[in-house]
Amino acid sequence: GAGVSQSPRYKVAKRGQDVALRCDPISGHVSLFWYQQALGQGPEFLTYFQNEAQLDKSGLPSDRFFAERPEGSVSTLKIQRTQQEDSAVYLCASSLALSYEQYFGPGTRLTVT
Amino acid sequence: DQQVKQNSPSLSVQEGRISILNCDYTNSMFDYFLWYKKYPAEGPTFLISISSIKDKNEDGRFTVFLNKSAKHLSLHIVPSQPGDSAVYFCAASAGGNKLVFGAGTILRVKS
Repeated sequence: GAGVSQSPRYKVAKRGQDVALRCDPISGHVSLFWYQQALGQGPEFLTYFQNEAQLDKSGLPSDRFFAERPEGSVSTLKIQRTQQEDSAVYLCASSLALSYEQYFGPGTRLTVT
Repeated sequence: DQQVKQNSPSLSVQEGRISILNCDYTNSMFDYFLWYKKYPAEGPTFLISISSIKDKNEDGRFTVFLNKSAKHLSLHIVPSQPGDSAVYFCAASAGGNKLVFGAGTILRVKS
């Protein structure tokens, strides 16, 4: 079956621009996660949805970061007024309810110039 | 404050030999541990996991060992194959939601 897909795969933004990153989870997966991965580091948690409810947003680095999942399937991570320190790979993962195992998409590499 | 640490940035192993990747953690609330494998330009792929109530889990060539008293886990790959060359991430969960990752270990298997 289809895995987690993300788009775009690569995004270049000028500092100050807004960006929107999309995630299509595996069908039937109620949990969805966003992670940020800086170069040479492991992924770091940003936020978590169960269906359409955002249950944990403790990892969002600032109020410029916003995520939504309005119908409990596709999710969008929006970054407003991008800064150079936002340059990273943004990974989306999904999982079944009550499962620890998360399945990751290929990521979106964001470069802010 | 790194809760999950992979102290070896890289490891080089001869094909056919054993690869041992190590991971240490500090948070005693972690109750589930996972290993992910990552190739360049791809997302992490789930490899194997272990619950904190166990001390060993095996899946084919991959075995994960957990030592709760030492807050240490390891991944053994036997025999190692060139296709195993990738970055390996250790991850931990407390209660089934977010994963906390280590910085990764680059494994290179030489043929």
